[in-house]
Amino acid sequence: DTAVSQTPKYLVTQMGNDKSIKCEQNLGHDTMYWYKQDSKKFLKIMFSYNNKELIINETVPNRFSPKSPDKAHLNLHINSLELGDSAVYFCASSQDTAGEQFFGPGTRLTVL
Amino acid sequence: ILNVEQSPQSLHVQEGDSTNFTCSFPSSNFYALHWYRWETAKSPKALFVMTLNGDEKKKGRISATLNTKEGYSYLYIKGSQPEDSATYLCAFSDARSGATNKLIFGTGTLLAVQP
Repeated sequence: DTAVSQTPKYLVTQMGNDKSIKCEQNLGHDTMYWYKQDSKKFLKIMFSYNNKELIINETVPNRFSPKSPDKAHLNLHINSLELGDSAVYFCASSQDTAGEQFFGPGTRLTVL
Repeated sequence: ILNVEQSPQSLHVQEGDSTNFTCSFPSSNFYALHWYRWETAKSPKALFVMTLNGDEKKKGRISATLNTKEGYSYLYIKGSQPEDSATYLCAFSDARSGATNKLIFGTGTLLAVQP
């Protein structure tokens, strides 16, 4: 009964490829997020969706496109992968805009 | 630029020691302050969400205080145990941002508790 799940857990790919990471939450939350953990282990918000609507869109290259088919899913598609995209990507969800966020297990992306 | 700073960067204590660390954040336009516990190879787990100046929260041996006027929060662990070893993250959200769930994370305090 995993609360926030991400697939895949590991992703190794070549530069220039297009890849997707999927996220699902079964908590009934309205809001979902994507974070990037950089090489210094710093967690930085990328996107947030509330009820399938984009509400946070940080300064992220437009090669990154989130898609929320429904409240329980927020997928991250990345075009033309670059070496600098290598990182751990975390999905999270929260009930409302002030509540605690529940994080998924992370997806480690390695671009070769 | 909103800055969230945590100190110390890392801390090594003996089992049974009590410890505390600090999170500093902008004192204006405060909305909420979150504390998360992040064990190695796992995902961050929420400890506390604090919204009012003077808030004090407690969960077992861990407690936190909040001072929004001066822009700091303390996290205390009483009688540290090896299983408390983790990175403790704080995160701040700004009422002006238009998205009060946009968390700005600090870099964390890495706690190692020696048996």
